[in-house]
Amino acid sequence: DIQMTQSPSTLSASVGDRVTITCRASQSINNRLAWYQQKPGKAPKLLIYKTSTLESGVPSRFSGSGSGTEFTLTISSLQPDDFATYYCQQYNSYCTFGQGTKVEIK
Amino acid sequence: QLQLQESGPRLVEPSETLSLTCSVSGDSIDSRTFYWGWIRQPPGKGLEWIAAIYYTGDTFYTPSLKSRITISVDTSRNQFSLKLTSVTAADTAVYFCVRLWGHWSGYSDYWGQGALVTVSS
Repeated sequence: DIQMTQSPSTLSASVGDRVTITCRASQSINNRLAWYQQKPGKAPKLLIYKTSTLESGVPSRFSGSGSGTEFTLTISSLQPDDFATYYCQQYNSYCTFGQGTKVEIK
Repeated sequence: QLQLQESGPRLVEPSETLSLTCSVSGDSIDSRTFYWGWIRQPPGKGLEWIAAIYYTGDTFYTPSLKSRITISVDTSRNQFSLKLTSVTAADTAVYFCVRLWGHWSGYSDYWGQGALVTVSS
């Protein structure tokens, strides 16, 4: 199994901050990485797929980058609607998720 | 607009079978581009992909649950279903049905709202 490790587990930030979340895979995943946002009581929402492709309708303040085994999700200027939990997912071999990063208000 | 909706019992007794159905509206389930699957999330925990199916009936399962799980598709009703046998408290989770892009383990661009299934006597 490919293990996905996200860091940090929790992130405290203010509106307007630049936020970066890291996801590390236990082996190469050929850039087959997606990012999701989940709010309490809701289903996850796809933000980015194939490492850096923004899903339709997702604000451009979200961006993804990386290669090999190291990937990042960046929010360029955190907005009130962005306080949520974020998950990375590899889909190169089966499908596994990171443990999540909760972005909370500082 | 594609919509997925889970239905089925929300309370299942230990050792019994969990059964859920996902009804798809807004698109045909026999699209060649997509697979259909289930992802679960225990309360307060992370996400776990558990099964997927193609409209042809080809099935794919996570190895840890393969002996207990069955996924099926009914193209005439535009639905797919999940059965998980011999459930325990560890199977208590929100079960999401999803559309998978391009591959049985692809990313999920559409999700149902989720169904909390509790295993308890």
